Amino acid sequence: DADVTQTPRNRITKTGKRIMLECSQTKGHDRMYWYRQDPGLGLRLIYYSFDVKDINKGEISDGYSVSRQAQAKFSLSLESAIPNQTALYFCATSAPGMNTEAFFGQGTRLTVV
Amino acid sequence: TQLLEQSPQFLSIQEGENLTVYCNSSSVFSSLQWYRQEPGEGPVLLVTVVTGGEVKKLKRLTFQFGDARKDSSLHITAAQPGDTGLYLCAGAWVQGAQKLVFGQGTRLTINP
Repeated sequence: DADVTQTPRNRITKTGKRIMLECSQTKGHDRMYWYRQDPGLGLRLIYYSFDVKDINKGEISDGYSVSRQAQAKFSLSLESAIPNQTALYFCATSAPGMNTEAFFGQGTRLTVV
Repeated sequence: TQLLEQSPQFLSIQEGENLTVYCNSSSVFSSLQWYRQEPGEGPVLLVTVVTGGEVKKLKRLTFQFGDARKDSSLHITAAQPGDTGLYLCAGAWVQGAQKLVFGQGTRLTINP
């Protein structure tokens, strides 16, 4: 089983719908991240959490919200999806410290029509 | 504007040639990482550089961290088709509570 699991892997939704992307990890890491990947823009940070009670906005948090239900679970919600939120979304985890490796899930491809 | 600027964004070269990818910023990072991403997968870590001026080698790949810890480079010697992929630099941003930020990525294609 993967250390970082994202569900669903693919999703097509309509404009205005609420959608939740889920991430669970078995790495035992405190730090979890949500990134969005668009062609030519690399990975942009949406939200991050350094422990269960810590939630922080990233570069592009508008239109998104998150919930850290447990150390192992970090969900990303789009309250009212819009077409420009069509992208590849990645969840990642890392151990505390400045120089630790980030471990990524396989991504969720979201299309908003 | 991206905090980390990667160049070039696309590179297509012949097998056996050498290449360098750059990752630049005006900000200081406590560390710089390089990841490689395959289609349908998340990025996977190649290397972390921590000390200004540090050089690390991974077979034919050489990674360098700038003296001021604001930039990094990835040099590939005698590129092979198996090196094809998306290469991403990422930095633990000192002024950003050490959150990990990424460059735009370099899509590298090595032609046989």
